[in-house]
Amino acid sequence: DAGVIQSPRHEVTEMGQEVTLRCKPISGHDYLFWYRQTMMRGLELLIYFNNNVPIDDSGMPEDRFSAKMPNASFSTLKIQPSEPRDSAVYFCASSRRGGNSNTEAFFGQGTRLTVV
Amino acid sequence: AQSVTQLDSQVPVFEEAPVELRCNYSSSVSVYLFWYVQYPNQGLQLLLKYLSGSTLVKGINGFEAEFNKSQTSFHLRKPSVHISDTAEYFCAVSRYSSASKIIFGSGTRLSIRP
Repeated sequence: DAGVIQSPRHEVTEMGQEVTLRCKPISGHDYLFWYRQTMMRGLELLIYFNNNVPIDDSGMPEDRFSAKMPNASFSTLKIQPSEPRDSAVYFCASSRRGGNSNTEAFFGQGTRLTVV
Repeated sequence: AQSVTQLDSQVPVFEEAPVELRCNYSSSVSVYLFWYVQYPNQGLQLLLKYLSGSTLVKGINGFEAEFNKSQTSFHLRKPSVHISDTAEYFCAVSRYSSASKIIFGSGTRLSIRP
């Protein structure tokens, strides 16, 4: 398997623009997580899905952030409108529940977002 | 709710010296514990995990960690570090009853001096 795939790897956008980050989880995984990493706040869980259903979105910072998972192989994280303080690295991760050997999360390479 | 504390934000050590990165957790239920490593400009990679059984867990790259329930700790150790171990290390926890939400500590930056 190719692992968790995120796109784009880098995104530079102007304040006020809409930004969409994409994630393809590992096939067969039923959990998908979106994390944000910054120097100030470390690694924060934004939202996670189980079987395409959002389970906990308490980490989503504001209404400007939204996430969807239309099917088992694709998820998006959208920021509209974007602000400079949204600049961070956004990670997608997936995992599969089904026995002790499958409880860890596998991470993508991340999307480095810069809002100017 | 569970939480993870990594007391050391940075740990400098000399090459071939031993290292210990500290991790303490709090939870009212049984948990799974993990250590991840993040190399510059990359995603997180699993080093090792504790699910049950032996409290001493061995991982990749010569790392090991010991689960201590009474002290609610899961410290990471390596007897002799290499320059290539320079990275950020994250301790993480998830609830035993729900293998879903994984909470990460703030990370420890390990820097190796020649």
